[in-house]
Amino acid sequence: DTAVSQTPKYLVTQMGNDKSIKCEQNLGHDTMYWYKQDSKKFLKIMFSYNNKELIINETVPNRFSPKSPDKAHLNLHINSLELGDSAVYFCASSRRRDTGELFFGEGSRLTVL
Amino acid sequence: EDKVVQSPLSLVVHEGDTVTLNCSYEVTNFRSLLWYKQEKKAPTFLFMLTSSGIEKKSGRLSSILDKKELFSILNITATQTGDSAIYLCAVEASGGGSNYKLTFGKGTLLTVNP
Repeated sequence: DTAVSQTPKYLVTQMGNDKSIKCEQNLGHDTMYWYKQDSKKFLKIMFSYNNKELIINETVPNRFSPKSPDKAHLNLHINSLELGDSAVYFCASSRRRDTGELFFGEGSRLTVL
Repeated sequence: EDKVVQSPLSLVVHEGDTVTLNCSYEVTNFRSLLWYKQEKKAPTFLFMLTSSGIEKKSGRLSSILDKKELFSILNITATQTGDSAIYLCAVEASGGGSNYKLTFGKGTLLTVNP
């Protein structure tokens, strides 16, 4: 069983569309994250949730809206997609909010045309 | 703003060589430094370092932290082609209250040729 799974793995869409990426972890972890890895390979945190509560919200455009229906799921919805949103989006989880040992999903490659 | 700088950005070696990857950082409220290995897809955790001067070891990989000089190194001895990957350094620092966040470096792309 995959510990942190994301869907879809690949997403190609037009500018202006709205899309969602889903993430689920079966590790029983309390904390989940969304990271963005751009073309320069920089991994940057976007959001973090702890037991469904938003605890970190970096300076991300409000077109990006995370939702955590329960502590095992963290979804990312993106409105009005722009070219600059093209990247690989990684979901991750950790046992607690105060540990840096993250377990990453395999990533969702978003291409905006 | 927290900053993590890795060097070199890329490195090509032959199997059997020993490599040293560097990571320097400038962060406020430092908590730990971590190394991750990213092959084709997901980064996977290698080490977490919190104390200066104590080497962490796993097989042919080892790492050490210097909190005075604000850097860490990751050593890989007797490299194998399977070590080819991007090695990411990240620093965990307080994001306010009991929240901590990781700041990643750009990574070092290691290529091990047979």
